[in-house]
Amino acid sequence: GQNIDQPTEMTATEGAIVQINCTYQTSGFNGLFWYQQHAGEAPTFLSYNVLDGLEEKGRFSSFLSRSKGYSYLLLKELQMKDSASYLCAVRPSGYSTLTFGKGTMLLVSP
Amino acid sequence: EAGVAQSPRYKIIEKRQSVAFWCNPISGHATLYWYQQILGQGPKLLIQFQNNGVVDDSQLPKDRFSAERLKGVDSTLKIQPAKLEDSAVYLCASSLAQGLATFGSGTRLTVV
Repeated sequence: GQNIDQPTEMTATEGAIVQINCTYQTSGFNGLFWYQQHAGEAPTFLSYNVLDGLEEKGRFSSFLSRSKGYSYLLLKELQMKDSASYLCAVRPSGYSTLTFGKGTMLLVSP
Repeated sequence: EAGVAQSPRYKIIEKRQSVAFWCNPISGHATLYWYQQILGQGPKLLIQFQNNGVVDDSQLPKDRFSAERLKGVDSTLKIQPAKLEDSAVYLCASSLAQGLATFGSGTRLTVV
């Protein structure tokens, strides 16, 4: 089976940097995804890691360590619009289905 | 390109009633998923289709939930009869065979 853990809530200030951690235990591994979900809206894709290391995309970066079963999403220069839930999801090897964590609700304050 | 279309956007029903949701995936996407997202939790896969065949329905409560994807394009998800704990957002997503899943805006179901 799959088990994915991430903090329930985080708060940060506009302009700051925040790191959202995700740990996973899965029977196989074929990639880790981060999605952003604003309240009442669909999850939207942010980043994808399948090899160890850091992937940078503008203000957002994602890191993966497969040996540790660990990933983080780093958000820089936070803006109010970044207030949302951030979902960590793992794709087990051989399947295209994603297993999601419960999500981390990020609140950015002025 | 047009996104994943879902309807209705909202639905309120009484327990023991039936309800159906509709999904139109992105054109050309062979894989279609239905997820259930209970408030405060991440999406949970209910069923995955590859074209019109079921790939994974291990978490679908088959005594009350059913889904079909006729002709390998549109899909419907039905709940009959509904229970209070079925209150959730039902998300449809689609992807190319092993590609990135794109989600629709979902149907918010409230069972009273």
